[in-house]
Amino acid sequence: DIVLTQSPASLAVSLGQRATIPCRASESVESYGNSFMHWYQQKPGQPPKLLIYRAFNLESGIPARFSGSGSRTDFTLTINPVEPDDVATYYCQQSYEDPYTFGGGTKLEIK
Amino acid sequence: QVQLQQSGPQLVRPGASVKKSCRTSGYSFTRHWMHWVKQRPGQGLEWIGMIDPSDGETSLNQRFKDKATLTVDKSSSTAYMHLSSPTSEDSAVYYCARKTDYWGQGTTLTVSS
Repeated sequence: DIVLTQSPASLAVSLGQRATIPCRASESVESYGNSFMHWYQQKPGQPPKLLIYRAFNLESGIPARFSGSGSRTDFTLTINPVEPDDVATYYCQQSYEDPYTFGGGTKLEIK
Repeated sequence: QVQLQQSGPQLVRPGASVKKSCRTSGYSFTRHWMHWVKQRPGQGLEWIGMIDPSDGETSLNQRFKDKATLTVDKSSSTAYMHLSSPTSEDSAVYYCARKTDYWGQGTTLTVSS
């Protein structure tokens, strides 16, 4: 199985500043120029919400403050600037091969 | 609009039969794989598996191969997940999700004697 590592498990950022959330895969999740890595936001009591698909594509309706980057094994979700509503846990997921594993999540807090 | 409506919460005794449903609307049911995801209280997300509603082909996480069975009813655009012989380890919120983009609201399973 592809292991996705999200570290740190929690991150405190000041309002208006940039949050950078990394995700490292145990092997490449890239094929033919496409990276099969996705990012979700989850708030308590709610299902995950897709933010970014295939590494850097912004899902419809998601603010442009969110962006994704990376390739092969190293990926990053960036939130800039951070707003109060962004307090949540963020997960990466790979769909390169099954099982479609998730990272352990990074909890974003406001400093 | 795309909607995935999951069945209500369940409290079951260990070993009892459990079936979760996910009724869909607003899109062509057979065109998108349906995924199931588990989340234990205070924990992260775990991918259970997926099913192709067009022909019933499934792909299961090996961790769930003796636990979960995925099926669909094309006539009602509904996906189902059956959990066999549940234990306290199966107490969790279960989500259905259309690929990565649309998710059900989640349904809680509590296994307790």
